[in-house]
Amino acid sequence: EPEVTQTPSHQVTQMGQEVILRCVPISNHLYFYWYRQILGQKVEFLVSFYNNEISEKSEIFDDQFSVERPDGSNFTLKIRSTKLEDSAMYFCASKRQADQPQHFGDGTRLSIL
Amino acid sequence: GQQLNQSPQSMFIQEGEDVSMNCTSSSIFNTWLWYKQDPGEGPVLLIALYKAGELTSNGRLTAQFGITRKDSFLNISASIPSDVGIYFCAGLFNAGGTSYGKLTFGQGTILTVHP
Repeated sequence: EPEVTQTPSHQVTQMGQEVILRCVPISNHLYFYWYRQILGQKVEFLVSFYNNEISEKSEIFDDQFSVERPDGSNFTLKIRSTKLEDSAMYFCASKRQADQPQHFGDGTRLSIL
Repeated sequence: GQQLNQSPQSMFIQEGEDVSMNCTSSSIFNTWLWYKQDPGEGPVLLIALYKAGELTSNGRLTAQFGITRKDSFLNISASIPSDVGIYFCAGLFNAGGTSYGKLTFGQGTILTVHP
């Protein structure tokens, strides 16, 4: 069964550094998402992306965050200047059609030192 | 913003017992989803509900979309050790017939099954 794949599985970065988290959504999917889960807490929406543009973003997704779909297969989340509170699991999700449920990757654990 | 209250926070049960968990919201959702998350992995979809009153089963799992569109429950019958994990409800609100799919998640129910 097709899967959403995310790399790396664990990223350790110094505070203030830029980080890029990578995702390969399921190949025929058209809607793409990033979510965040701080340890022990619920999953929180960050951003949705459709038709090569951001369609919705949460208050968490400030100017330090950006997303890109540089080619037909990758979907990336960039954090420009990381903060300690950015430490979390970051999940990528995708779906084919508006009325279908999202499928999640296994996440990237981001640790900011 | 929309908030989901999921209960209970945790459950400790014996293998073979039935389990029930639920989510409530102060606002309506068009779609309710139930996901399971194992340690170190992403949420895996268990059941999707699209219509108020809908009752859907997936093996030993049964979920219902509340008539008011503000609640949903998940039942697991005859639990087994591999049911251990965190169960999340998630709601989707579709305004005006268009949706980009922002999901609002509950806080999760941690399920422990003793053999």
